[in-house]
Amino acid sequence: QLLLQESGPGLVKPSETLSLTCTVSGGSITSNNYYWGWIRQPPGKGLEWIGNIYYTGSTYYNPSLKSRVTISVDTSKNQFSLKLSSVTAADTSVYYCARLVVTGKGPGFNWFDPWGQGTLVTVSS
Amino acid sequence: QSVLTQPPSASGTPGQRVTISCSGSSSNIGTNAVNWYQQLPGTAPKLLIYSNNQRPSGVPDRFSGSKSGTSASLAISGLQSEDEANYYCASWDDSLNGPLFGGGTKLTVL
Repeated sequence: QLLLQESGPGLVKPSETLSLTCTVSGGSITSNNYYWGWIRQPPGKGLEWIGNIYYTGSTYYNPSLKSRVTISVDTSKNQFSLKLSSVTAADTSVYYCARLVVTGKGPGFNWFDPWGQGTLVTVSS
Repeated sequence: QSVLTQPPSASGTPGQRVTISCSGSSSNIGTNAVNWYQQLPGTAPKLLIYSNNQRPSGVPDRFSGSKSGTSASLAISGLQSEDEANYYCASWDDSLNGPLFGGGTKLTVL
């Protein structure tokens, strides 16, 4: 059974950089046909895609966050990470990592499964 | 940025059939598949329907999905109290070059 677990500070000061890591267990992060993604959810609100990474390091970011986001992968540790710079209170959210299943039918036929349990990151001084 | 539009709330009584709609555009639902996620209170989202109408292993056949043009629907038959949750539709958006989520629908079982 594949499990994903987010880890990182729960409190970040405004203007600083948010850093989270997702540890994958029960499977290899280098498996073909899978990307690895980050999604966030502000308290009481909906889901927002942040970005995806392939084990080779190829990345795709949400244009609205692209200037502040870096996603990286460490295949030796079976982990991938998120960095979000210059955070403000608007970045306060539960951050989820998830596996993006990619089919041979093209980018329009993919889905997130499974998801990590999520971690709340609060931006406050 | 494109959006997928869902009703903010829906409700039904045990045993009823309810449907939740998801409206998009030609750059997302009109071209790409739709997935549905269920988020029980205080938990992470869970894949409920993928590729418009496919159920992952373990998801009861009470849940079904459909797509027509630029809209999609999730139907839940034989409503149960444990179905009370938030439901999100999602579709790849060609303009975003990434997945786009709907605003979510809170389902209440009366």
